[in-house]
Formats: sequence, structure tokens, C-alpha cells
Amino acid sequence: QTVVTQEPSFSVSPGATVTLTCGLSSGSVSTTNYPSWYQQTPGQTPRTLIYNTDTRSSGVPDRFSGSILGNKAALTITGAQADDECDYYCVLYMDSGIWVFGGGTMLTVL
Amino acid sequence: QVHLVESGGGVVQPGESLRLSCAASGFTFSSNGMHWVRQAPGKGLEWVAFIRNDGSNKYQADSVKGRFTMSRDNSKNTVYLEMKSLRPEDTALYHCVKDGGYHYMDVWGKGTTVTVSS
Repeated sequence: QTVVTQEPSFSVSPGATVTLTCGLSSGSVSTTNYPSWYQQTPGQTPRTLIYNTDTRSSGVPDRFSGSILGNKAALTITGAQADDECDYYCVLYMDSGIWVFGGGTMLTVL
Repeated sequence: QVHLVESGGGVVQPGESLRLSCAASGFTFSSNGMHWVRQAPGKGLEWVAFIRNDGSNKYQADSVKGRFTMSRDNSKNTVYLEMKSLRPEDTALYHCVKDGGYHYMDVWGKGTTVTVSS
């Protein structure tokens, strides 16, 4: 069974840069997994941030960026702000027509 | 503006069935695949099922395979999730989500709550 891994939690100082990652329990993440990233504040509907590895969704500020770093997908937030404090999820598309979410990363900005 | 409105959630007992609906508007419904994604209370997001734009292919997560079936009626701009043999672990907020065309979830509905409890 495919498991998508994310850091359970991460802490960043205001104004600093943070990179969250999204990996596979076995194997490497590549662009053919079409990594996408979602932001969710408590009690709210998820918001799409990044799709197709590095394409920002409409209205998403350019301080959010996506990439492949080594064998993982990555979400980088440049100049973290207080309202970036929330949960971040990645999703990977698998060849078999299955999508798998990571467990999510709870980001703290302090 | 894309709008997705889920309905059909409720409280059921283990083993019972339920059908969720999602009414879509603001885009060419027949051109887009659609997903169901759920979130159990206090837990992360879980992809449940996907249906292609013309309904020709459907995929489900292993956790619901054989119990949940997704369908769509393009004449009504509506997708459905037929859920059978429900289990307590199916308790969640179920979101209908428009596929963005690059294998990602584009626009999310607010969801409908399913509670499975005796």
C-alpha cells in the first residue's frame, strides 16, 4: 500500500523561509505523480495552492512555490506570515488512477 | 464562479447505506472529472473516489472499494456517491471536488457530514 509522507509538524519564524516535503514510503516522487498542495485552516474548506508540481493556483501569492527536491515534492513558503499558520497537505497521483494524500503538516509561525 | 453543493449526509447505523449528491454550477460540467474527498473528525484528508468527465472510468480508494460507487448525470450537472455497508470509520465530512485537469483537486465544495454510529 502506498504511503505518502509529510512532516507532522514544522515551526518557522515570521519572515523566514520554510520548505515542507512530500515523499513516498517506497520510491521517489517525480513530476509524473503531479504533486499538488493544499492549505487548510481549522474548520475551513481546503484551498488549492500548487498543482502539477510547481504551478500556483489562481490568486495564490508568489511566496508559495512548488518543486521536486531530491526524491520528494516540496512546498516552499518564502517570508512566512502569521496567517500561514495552518495545515498543509500534499497529494500524489499514482499510475493506477489513484490519488493519495499525505498525512498533512501542521505549520506553526512563531 | 464555480459552485459545488453537497447534500445527502446524515446519521446512519453500521451496515446501512446512504447516497450523497453534489450539484455543480459555473463551469462546463461534462468536461471535468470529479472527486470525492473526506475528512474524519480531527484527521487529515483522504481521497475517496474519482469519475471521468463522461463517466467512462471510475476509481476508488482501497478503503471503500466494493462498498462505494461514484456516478454522474451530466444532464443534471450532478455527481453521486453511493455508499453501502457503512462502517463507523466512514464517519467524516465528505467534499465534492472538481478535478483541475492536471490530476489535482481544483475547487472544493463545503461538504456534507456522514455519521455512522449505533
